[in-house]
Amino acid sequence: TQLLEQSPQFLSIQEGENLTVYCNSSSVFSSLQWYRQEPGEGPVLLVTVVTGGEVKKLKRLTFQFGDARKDSSLHITAAQPGDTGLYLCAGHRWDSNYQLIWGAGTKLIIKP
Amino acid sequence: EPEVTQTPSHQVTQMGQEVILRCVPISNHLYFYWYRQILGQKVEFLVSFYNNEISEKSEIFDDQFSVERPDGSNFTLKIRSTKLEDSAMYFCASSVQGYNEQFFGPGTRLTVL
Repeated sequence: TQLLEQSPQFLSIQEGENLTVYCNSSSVFSSLQWYRQEPGEGPVLLVTVVTGGEVKKLKRLTFQFGDARKDSSLHITAAQPGDTGLYLCAGHRWDSNYQLIWGAGTKLIIKP
Repeated sequence: EPEVTQTPSHQVTQMGQEVILRCVPISNHLYFYWYRQILGQKVEFLVSFYNNEISEKSEIFDDQFSVERPDGSNFTLKIRSTKLEDSAMYFCASSVQGYNEQFFGPGTRLTVL
């Protein structure tokens, strides 16, 4: 069962373009976290969203948590080659105390 | 900035051997976790640990696995008799509280031959 589905799985765009990646579920999450992972390294936390409808900004990255807390999105404005990487969403389900449920990730490539 | 550290970075072992993966969580964190990521697959939860006991574990975390906090700083994952399918990246993470953000170490790549 795919508890957290990320789309697209792969995205390759030119520098300067905007993009949005999605993290969707049929389950309710008490919080959702976005991580970035480089090959052979551990996930690095970008942001946590907790409240339904919450929007958080991190420079050119905008994160949104759905009103029903079942989905989230990451929007990057004016993408740069340094944004290249694997973006993962992970969440605490409302009925799970500790474990993070993970999406499969979106592999993002920004071409100069 | 405080960070989670893991040793070794790469462990190669023969099938059937025992391995111990080590982690030093962030010092003021109370909750500790192990996850694994098989090459090309999702990150998977193994176990969470709080107050010197397991608070939650997944189906993957069977009798071959155990965790321990042998002193005030280290958090270990032991695999008693490794199998080929245990080959993966193993990530340790820690958090202040159970529902808080989890911070991950760089991982240990385990290769079982």
